[in-house]
Amino acid sequence: QVQLQESGPRLVKPSQTLSLSCTVSGGSISSGGYYWSWIRLRPGKGLEWIAYIDDSGSTYNNPSLQSRVTLSVDPSKNQFSLRLRSVTAADTGLYYCAREERNDDFQNWFDPWGQGTLVTVSS
Amino acid sequence: QSVLTQPPSVSGAPGQRVTISCTGSSSNTGAGYDVHWYQQLPGTAPKLLIYSNNNRPSGVPDRFSGSKSGTSASLAITGLQAEDEADYYCQSYDNSLSGFWVFGGGTKLTVL
Repeated sequence: QVQLQESGPRLVKPSQTLSLSCTVSGGSISSGGYYWSWIRLRPGKGLEWIAYIDDSGSTYNNPSLQSRVTLSVDPSKNQFSLRLRSVTAADTGLYYCAREERNDDFQNWFDPWGQGTLVTVSS
Repeated sequence: QSVLTQPPSVSGAPGQRVTISCTGSSSNTGAGYDVHWYQQLPGTAPKLLIYSNNNRPSGVPDRFSGSKSGTSASLAITGLQAEDEADYYCQSYDNSLSGFWVFGGGTKLTVL
């Protein structure tokens, strides 16, 4: 079955850029019918959807994060990536990548998820 | 301050039935968008538990069920087992701003 695994630096300094990658195994990122998403869980807050990318490179960001987020995809590596600019301590949290089931009328859900990677923003 | 509101915690004894509520508004659950539920066992990734309000993915026991009415949805767990102790999250779509997917704050289920 499809599995996802996040990777990237666990410690980022304030004002710098958080960069994470997600490697997909057990299936092709170009198989169609899915978006590839990033979701985070920050201390004391619930889950927050960050953004998605599809296999053609089309992206869509959470309006609350829009200007700071960039996603990219590398089908040859079966991998997609997140860049979050100008981070602060408020961006500290668990970052998950997930496959988003693309349905009509935005009735999408997320399955499966990666294990998550804890990113700390601190000097 | 999540878009969808869940109780922070619920508890029940083994064998009992518990429910977890998820309340939204007119821009998400009240607008007819489906609710999906996830279970996060300690130290693991969230796992899809219920999709489209009341559907179970293959492998999810029928002890888990979902329902939705108006702006609210519920997850019910019957025959509670120790292994059900986990965090549970609801998720939907919100059509405010330019639209985005939203989650509840999560509910910690404790099996007494």
